[in-house]
Amino acid sequence: EAQVTQNPRYLITVTGKKLTVTCSQNMNHEYMSWYRQDPGLGLRQIYYSMNVEVTDKGDVPEGYKVSRKEKRNFPLILESPSPNQTSLYFCASSFTVGGALWETQYFGPGTRLLVL
Amino acid sequence: AQSVTQPDIHITVSEGASLELRCNYSYGATPYLFWYVQSPGQGLQLLLKYFSGDTLVQGIKGFEAEFKRSQSSFNLRKPSVHWSDAAEYFCAVGNTGGFKTIFGAGTRLFVKA
Repeated sequence: EAQVTQNPRYLITVTGKKLTVTCSQNMNHEYMSWYRQDPGLGLRQIYYSMNVEVTDKGDVPEGYKVSRKEKRNFPLILESPSPNQTSLYFCASSFTVGGALWETQYFGPGTRLLVL
Repeated sequence: AQSVTQPDIHITVSEGASLELRCNYSYGATPYLFWYVQSPGQGLQLLLKYFSGDTLVQGIKGFEAEFKRSQSSFNLRKPSVHWSDAAEYFCAVGNTGGFKTIFGAGTRLFVKA
């Protein structure tokens, strides 16, 4: 089954304790992206990757890191989480065709993070 | 800078009535435009997208949207709403290629029986 998986689905942590949220897709997609969703703000893009070893900042990259060492995985790293990073996080992936995102983005189920 | 405005935080329509959700965007070049739907507790599903060509775009679940460059709008429509359409709807604009995406704050749709 074609899917985007995220782990963990729910996470409670404390300020300053490094954490990683994993994202994996089994569709051989070139493009992957991370978003955070907050009430009244919609989704905001954190980072995206157009292929292995190619990443770029989205709208709200501060406090986050990403890496794309393999095509299928795109982990989101919070080196020193703070309470304002409490949010619902979505990973997404898609094919690119002719250098553009022509296909739909497939979204993962979301990771709900609470930073105390 | 790119931006997306969805003027209506929530909308209530009766089942069987028509629906229009508004979206206005700001982008310097030809935008890549999207509408997504999010059901409670779920991820996002793409309803339709506009990259170029015909300005009236057909999507899944009976939705359509019209790109109006002069009004910087990309409104979503459906002729007859079903109770299962109750969800949150997000308009989004992407840069050339669609890689960097800005979402609107969303419009929550309630459907009355």
